[in-house]
Amino acid sequence: GAVVSQHPSWVICKSGTSVKIECRSLDFQATTMFWYRQFPKQSLMLMATSNEGSKATYEQGVEKDKFLINHASLTLSTLTVTSAHPEDSSFYICSAAGTWGTGELFFGEGSRLTVL
Amino acid sequence: KQEVTQIPAALSVPEGENLVLNCSFTDSAIYNLQWFRQDPGKGLTSLLLIQSSQREQTSGRLNASLDKSSGRSTLYIAASQPGDSATYLCAVPLGAGSYQLTFGKGTKLSVIP
Repeated sequence: GAVVSQHPSWVICKSGTSVKIECRSLDFQATTMFWYRQFPKQSLMLMATSNEGSKATYEQGVEKDKFLINHASLTLSTLTVTSAHPEDSSFYICSAAGTWGTGELFFGEGSRLTVL
Repeated sequence: KQEVTQIPAALSVPEGENLVLNCSFTDSAIYNLQWFRQDPGKGLTSLLLIQSSQREQTSGRLNASLDKSSGRSTLYIAASQPGDSATYLCAVPLGAGSYQLTFGKGTKLSVIP
């Protein structure tokens, strides 16, 4: 299957700093990528849809100025958590849709963010 | 609004047993249904994708069925192994052609050696 890679897999930062998480489709082009947040023992919550070359679409309740998303190429989307606070600590997962139109989504390994 | 439910929330079986995981959805007008596996602290691994026109898909020891009219899907795992222990999630798109998924809360499977 297609491979989606996330980096870093875990990061610890101080409150008030910004953290960037990368999501790459390694062997396919992805015009659309998605960012999710997952709390312990909960399912995935969609945060935003990232479209290559255009602005991301955010879900209701997600602060676009806090969670900056950039999708500058067909293989890379980045999520930047700005002015991080302890409540932003979570597991962030990205997914990408292939261009072959089957509707199948492929997910990254996830990034564990801990804000001290 | 589409809602996806997975029962049971947790399941523990001895190694070698066959088992079935259940997924139900409220809106039968789905485009496809996807089953995923999630290991602790990891992302999701796609297991099977069933298109709305299909009744089942098979991959190795896994078989997923889809009954749109009743709003149900099952994931059958044959001859379970300890390595199958994980949380299994099913998900359906929000609408035709949409890649935005609605997830169930998952079934946590433990296969006891």
